[in-house]
Amino acid sequence: DAKTTQPNSMESNEEEPVHLPCNHSTISGTDYIHWYRQLPSQGPEYVIHGLTSNVNNRMASLAIAEDRKSSTLILHRATLRDAAVYYCILRTTGNQFYFGTGTSLTVIP
Amino acid sequence: EAGVAQSPRYKIIEKRQSVAFWCNPISGHATLYWYQQILGQGPKLLIQFQNNGVVDDSQLPKDRFSAERLKGVDSTLKIQPAKLEDSAVYLCASSQRLAPDYEQYFGPGTRLTVT
Repeated sequence: DAKTTQPNSMESNEEEPVHLPCNHSTISGTDYIHWYRQLPSQGPEYVIHGLTSNVNNRMASLAIAEDRKSSTLILHRATLRDAAVYYCILRTTGNQFYFGTGTSLTVIP
Repeated sequence: EAGVAQSPRYKIIEKRQSVAFWCNPISGHATLYWYQQILGQGPKLLIQFQNNGVVDDSQLPKDRFSAERLKGVDSTLKIQPAKLEDSAVYLCASSQRLAPDYEQYFGPGTRLTVT
């Protein structure tokens, strides 16, 4: 399995930016980096994905290291609704992927 | 656009009984996935379908689990007989295409408790 490594938990103050790191040292050239988040008692929700270049969407930004062995999900202004478990996943062209245990984000009012 | 629908939302059974879960993906989505999520862990992929064909079922415990996707739309996942360790949330997801740059849309899941 193409695996990722994330911190178990992080905290952020409300309305401040949050940087969620992910290491994926075994990434291959065609693997996409995906981020999902899971709110309590809900199914995972897609956040963002990218291949080589940094990506922005209405929810977040994804910064990918030049060697692609790490990436960072950036939430520009954390809100209480952003409290969730965030999963960094590698998706391969062979359609293998592994969620791992993710990072549990706590947002402090 | 309607999301991925799953039923039932909750199920309690005794060990050695059988159970079935149903999933209706987003209209037009060719790819369907079933996941098992044990409390405190990330989702684990059990099986992937492309239309009505199985793409990968290497993580499906085939001695007790089975899944089908008739007519390439709805899907059912069955467990027979259930064990205590099958207690988990079973998630269904769908995607427009079977490609690594397409996102998956998840349903709310079915919480199974085996006693």
